[in-house]
Amino acid sequence: EAEVAQSPRYKITEKSQAVAFWCDPISGHATLYWYRQILGQGPELLVQFQDESVVDDSQLPKDRFSAERLKGVDSTLKIQPAELGDSAMYLCASSQNPTGVGETQYFGPGTRLLVL
Amino acid sequence: AQSVTQLGSHVSVSEGALVLLRCNYSSSVPPYLFWYVQYPNQGLQLLLKYTSAATLVKGINGFEAEFKKSETSFHLTKPSAHMSDAAEYFCAVTYGGSQGNLIFGKGTKLSVKP
Repeated sequence: EAEVAQSPRYKITEKSQAVAFWCDPISGHATLYWYRQILGQGPELLVQFQDESVVDDSQLPKDRFSAERLKGVDSTLKIQPAELGDSAMYLCASSQNPTGVGETQYFGPGTRLLVL
Repeated sequence: AQSVTQLGSHVSVSEGALVLLRCNYSSSVPPYLFWYVQYPNQGLQLLLKYTSAATLVKGINGFEAEFKKSETSFHLTKPSAHMSDAAEYFCAVTYGGSQGNLIFGKGTKLSVKP
């Protein structure tokens, strides 16, 4: 069964350093989501792509976070500089179409970030 | 605005007992509702989803949920808990539209006692 791939699985960095996370969605999935999950909370959307275009980045802290999906396939989420409050699980998900029509979002295993 | 409330951040049951995890939603339009399960340090796996077809939805691993519009609820149940059901469960809502991002509840951690 096809899966969403993410790397790295774990990342430890120091405050003010730059970090990057990679996501490869299920083949053929046009919609890609990045979520942030703080310990003890549900995931919250950071950014949504439809093919290579950003559909929603209203919750993305644009002063330090950036995301791209240049060829409409895999995606990279970057944080620069990292802050202590960025420690969280970063989840990538994909769906064939936007979930507004009941499509299922398939999640990757996530990247656990710890900022020291 | 869309929102989801999961009652009880932690539920503990004995093996073989009924599992009931509560979810209430707030939506001004007919919603699509989902239950996901998350094991430690892993991503989320879909258990089941409601998309306005049957109100009783059957999912994987013996779980099911019933959509009750009058109560704005979508509670998750399983007749007999198994040790392997111990995990965190998230209810999520979305609605028809071009974006369709999921709005999650805060989650309920299920513990199963032997």
